[in-house]
Amino acid sequence: TQLLEQSPQFLSIQEGENLTVYCNSSSVFSSLQWYRQEPGEGPVLLVTVVTGGEVKKLKRLTFQFGDARKDSSLHITAAQPGDTGLYLCAGVRGGGSNYKLTFGKGTLLTVNP
Amino acid sequence: SQTIHQWPATLVQPVGSPLSLECTVEGTSNPNLYWYRQAAGRGLQLLFYSVGIGQISSEVPQNLSASRPQDRQFILSSKKLLLSDSGFYLCAWSVRQGRRETQYFGPGTRLLVL
Repeated sequence: TQLLEQSPQFLSIQEGENLTVYCNSSSVFSSLQWYRQEPGEGPVLLVTVVTGGEVKKLKRLTFQFGDARKDSSLHITAAQPGDTGLYLCAGVRGGGSNYKLTFGKGTLLTVNP
Repeated sequence: SQTIHQWPATLVQPVGSPLSLECTVEGTSNPNLYWYRQAAGRGLQLLFYSVGIGQISSEVPQNLSASRPQDRQFILSSKKLLLSDSGFYLCAWSVRQGRRETQYFGPGTRLLVL
C-alpha cells in the first residue's frame, strides 16, 4: 500500500480555472513537502509545512497541512500553462534520526491555454 | 550556494553491460545523499541513501549498488544491466533544520536499457 496517496492522479484544466490536489495518509508526518517536476528534470521544492493546520501561500498557490499532520492540500488559483507539471508530496515520518522522505506518486497537471 | 550535478544526462546501454552514474554536490559539507528511480514520470522510489563516506543503506533489493568514495560524491553502479533497470535516476542531497527535511534534486539521468 502507498503510504502517501495523491489525488487526482491526472488533471487537465483550462487556463484560468482553480484546482485542488490532495495528499493523504493514515500516518503522522513531522513535516511535509510539495515539489513540482517538469518533464526531464528533477523535482523542485515548492514549500515545506511543519505545523498542523499551517497554511502557506506562494503567489497563486496555497498549501495547507492538516490539523493532525496526516494530510495536505495544494490549491491553485487561476491556473496558467506554466503551472503544468507533476506535483509530488513527500513527508518525513517521526523524528530523531529519520531523514528519509516518502513520496506520493504525484498528480500530473496539464493547464491548457 | 549549493549545486548538484549528475552525469551523464542520457544513457543508452545494452542488456548485460555495466553501469556507472555519478552525482556530485558543491557548496555543502557532509550532506545526506540519495539515489531515486522514477518510472514513467511518476513517483520516486528511494534506492540508496548515505549519511557519510562509505556509509550506504539500501532500500530495496535490486541489481544496483551505490558507493560514496568522497564526501560529496555518490555513485550508482551495476555489473550487468537488466531491461527493468531503465528509468529516470535522480540524485538528491538534503539538509535538516529541526523537523524540516528538505531535499534538493539533481537534473537526473535518463537510462534506457535495450
